[in-house]
Amino acid sequence: AQKITQTQPGMFVQEKEAVTLDCTYDTSDQSYGLFWYKQPSSGEMIFLIYQGSYDEQNATEGRYSLNFQKARKSANLVISASQLGDSAMYFCAMREGAGNTGKLIFGQGTTLQVKP
Amino acid sequence: NAGVMQNPRHLVRRRGQEARLRCSPMKGHSHVYWYRQLPEEGLKFMVYLQKENIIDESGMPKERFSAEFPKEGPSILRIQQVVRGDSAAYFCASSPGISGNTIYFGEGSWLTVV
Repeated sequence: AQKITQTQPGMFVQEKEAVTLDCTYDTSDQSYGLFWYKQPSSGEMIFLIYQGSYDEQNATEGRYSLNFQKARKSANLVISASQLGDSAMYFCAMREGAGNTGKLIFGQGTTLQVKP
Repeated sequence: NAGVMQNPRHLVRRRGQEARLRCSPMKGHSHVYWYRQLPEEGLKFMVYLQKENIIDESGMPKERFSAEFPKEGPSILRIQQVVRGDSAAYFCASSPGISGNTIYFGEGSWLTVV
């Protein structure tokens, strides 16, 4: 069965520093997609970044990058130059099953607090 | 995630009442997904719909819950005879037909059952 694991319930980072949020996954599919979402205290789910299993380059979107290590089945999110507005819950997710759908399984999330 | 519209944002229902949550997907998106988030947990998939069709409802509770996405109008998640355990945030997401790497969520609907 497919599974997403986020082992860090909470993380602290100093403003302007970089931080890595861990995500490991388990799947027997050869083709899959990995997502990261941000959920601030206001509750909405904000799409951050996507990595396809066949993408050779690590995905990057502004200050967000995904450290994709396929052999280790990890897809860690790196946030560079942290800002106070980055304080939020972060979820790693994987597309579940075959096909190119939006059916995702989510990890338990990591709460990030950025210190001034 | 701009463009996926959910309403109401907050809904309070007494036990036994019905709750109806609405979702209008992003323009050009024909696939809709409903997820539920219980307190302190990640999102759990409920149902996947295209216009007038339920594609996958493997995450839907067997009773009291139903979903539709009519030809015209928003998708609706309906919960009949609500119980306290239904209190949660319900998120709608949409994607275009082909590309599965652009999945955007709405702002969520928070249901409180008293």
